[in-house]
Amino acid sequence: SQKIEQNSEALNIQEGKTATLTCNYTNYSPAYLQWYRQDPGRGPVFLLLIRENEKEKRKERLKVTFDTTLKQSLFHITASQPADSATYLCALSGSARQLTFGSGTQLTVLP
Amino acid sequence: DAGVIQSPRHEVTEMGQEVTLRCKPISGHDYLFWYRQTMMRGLELLIYFNNNVPIDDSGMPEDRFSAKMPNASFSTLKIQPSEPRDSAVYFCASSDRINQPQHFGDGTRLSIL
Repeated sequence: SQKIEQNSEALNIQEGKTATLTCNYTNYSPAYLQWYRQDPGRGPVFLLLIRENEKEKRKERLKVTFDTTLKQSLFHITASQPADSATYLCALSGSARQLTFGSGTQLTVLP
Repeated sequence: DAGVIQSPRHEVTEMGQEVTLRCKPISGHDYLFWYRQTMMRGLELLIYFNNNVPIDDSGMPEDRFSAKMPNASFSTLKIQPSEPRDSAVYFCASSDRINQPQHFGDGTRLSIL
């Protein structure tokens, strides 16, 4: 069965550093990969979408890579700030399937 | 712009009672999704609609769960009878196209005693 793994349930980094979150998948050939942010008591909020034929996408301090050979996506937050502290979810979808979410990585940026 | 609106935000009820969760999607969005989030299983898709028609309900756990979308601006998720293991946060989301970003409501935290 398809499986999505987000390495590190929790990640602590120092303010100003780059946070790198990992999303690995198996038994799946997604056409789209999305990253969401979720704060406590709130619904997930969309951040970035990358297609299978794209290698990299950027938005302000955020960068996503998508390697379909390695079956992996990396999500980077540069110049991290305490306000970036949240749970980050990756989600995959394909032509015949709706979004399937990973379990998330809880990021804490320490001042 | 108004986002996805869910009600109630919190619901506490006793086992065996009927529970109805409500959702108003973003106007103009043709797709509506119901998810359940728990610590053990994460965020799981229960059912989704396209143009008010249920397309895939394979994630609905049991016959006790049902969902309707009588019009483009309203959907309900009903649990009857409710059980303690149904306790979770239930999210509604909408999008304007398939495989595109989804906009989530802030969820209903359901506790079945």
